[in-house]
Amino acid sequence: GNSVTQMEGPVTLSEEAFLTINCTYTATGYPSLFWYVQYPGEGLQLLLKATKADDKGSNKGFEATYRKETTSFHLEKGSVQVSDSAVYFCALLPSGGSYIPTFGRGTSLIVHP
Amino acid sequence: DGGITQSPKYLFRKEGQNVTLSCEQNLNHDAMYWYRQDPGQGLRLIYYSQIVNDFQKGDIAEGYSVSREKKESFPLTVTSAQKNPTAFYLCASSIGTTSVNEQFFGPGTRLTVL
Repeated sequence: GNSVTQMEGPVTLSEEAFLTINCTYTATGYPSLFWYVQYPGEGLQLLLKATKADDKGSNKGFEATYRKETTSFHLEKGSVQVSDSAVYFCALLPSGGSYIPTFGRGTSLIVHP
Repeated sequence: DGGITQSPKYLFRKEGQNVTLSCEQNLNHDAMYWYRQDPGQGLRLIYYSQIVNDFQKGDIAEGYSVSREKKESFPLTVTSAQKNPTAFYLCASSIGTTSVNEQFFGPGTRLTVL
């Protein structure tokens, strides 16, 4: 079946540090890949997405590249801010028109001033 | 503004009582979903619906029920048969007609059973 594996958190960084959150997946075909962000006490929001191999999704300084050869979609940001503190979820949507995504367990990011 | 609303944000109930969580969307989306989130865990799918008057069980449907009488509404009932109902519940929707189906989430309802 489909699965998404994220690095365990929490990830603790100082402001302006470089961020990487690893995400690898298992799926047949060519799934679409997503990163969602959840701020404390809120629902999830779409952060970025990529729909085919070598696509780069980007938003608010965050980037992730769809790597088919390594089945990965790692999230990066060059300089984090305290306001980036949240839980980040990697997810995939199988190809073929499926409505049901598979989510990773989430990675908590804590950014200190 | 288009979006998903869930009410209430916090809900307290006594053990043994059924409780219904509201979810409404004005995005004209066909598909709607209910997830449960527990501390330190990811999202677990309870039920989903692709069209009006049709819904399917997710991974943890036992002790829950839903209805989809209108396109914009997908209420979730947590019954007394649910053994551990205290959790954060998230409703989501998606267009449901294309292969790139990102989900839009509501703000969530935190249910506490006393």
